Amino acid sequence: GENVEQHPSTLSVQEGDSAVIKCTYSDSASNYFPWYKQELGKRPQLIIDIRSNVGEKKDQRIAVTLNKTAKHFSLHITETQPEDSAVYFCAAQYYNQGGKLIFGQGTELSVKP
Amino acid sequence: GAVVSQHPSRVICKSGTSVKIECRSLDFQATTMFWYRQFPKQSLMLMATSNEGSKATYEQGVEKDKFLINHASLTLSTLTVTSAHPEDSSFYICSAHQAGGYNEQFFGPGTRLTVL
Repeated sequence: GENVEQHPSTLSVQEGDSAVIKCTYSDSASNYFPWYKQELGKRPQLIIDIRSNVGEKKDQRIAVTLNKTAKHFSLHITETQPEDSAVYFCAAQYYNQGGKLIFGQGTELSVKP
Repeated sequence: GAVVSQHPSRVICKSGTSVKIECRSLDFQATTMFWYRQFPKQSLMLMATSNEGSKATYEQGVEKDKFLINHASLTLSTLTVTSAHPEDSSFYICSAHQAGGYNEQFFGPGTRLTVL
């Protein structure tokens, strides 16, 4: 079935350190993997995404890697800052099912000054 | 561009009443809209996929007669929570997929529903 597993559920790092969040998906038909940052009471904000024909993508301090064979994808945040503190969600899109997104369980990231 | 609005942003209602939530794509046409529900400290759970001019596709475990979805135009989808109960209290978020677009979904700001 459709499932996205996300780890860890909470992550605490010191300012300036790196943070890594990992996800696995179940359906090999997934072709698009976005990452969202959500602050309390707000809508999810897309921070980076990757398509299945690409193995890695980077945008300043944020990078995403995708291993299609293993069905793994990861978010890497370098030089973390206190304003990076939020809940992060990965998702997998099922293009042959109307493009619906299935979300991971979320990771609460805390960056300590 | 690609702005999605929701109305209302917050609603408080009595148990047993029905509540309608609107999701609009303001500057693009959305052939498909999605409705999610998010309980406190939990993830977004997909409730249904709404296609313009056709019946919505509901996820397993979501009661279609309780959560009525109407996608009457390429810019508007509505979710009606019928006979709401306290356990329906949640954060409801819609998203829209742009017609002719590739992958990205654009999220509305969400509606906080509280059922007393």
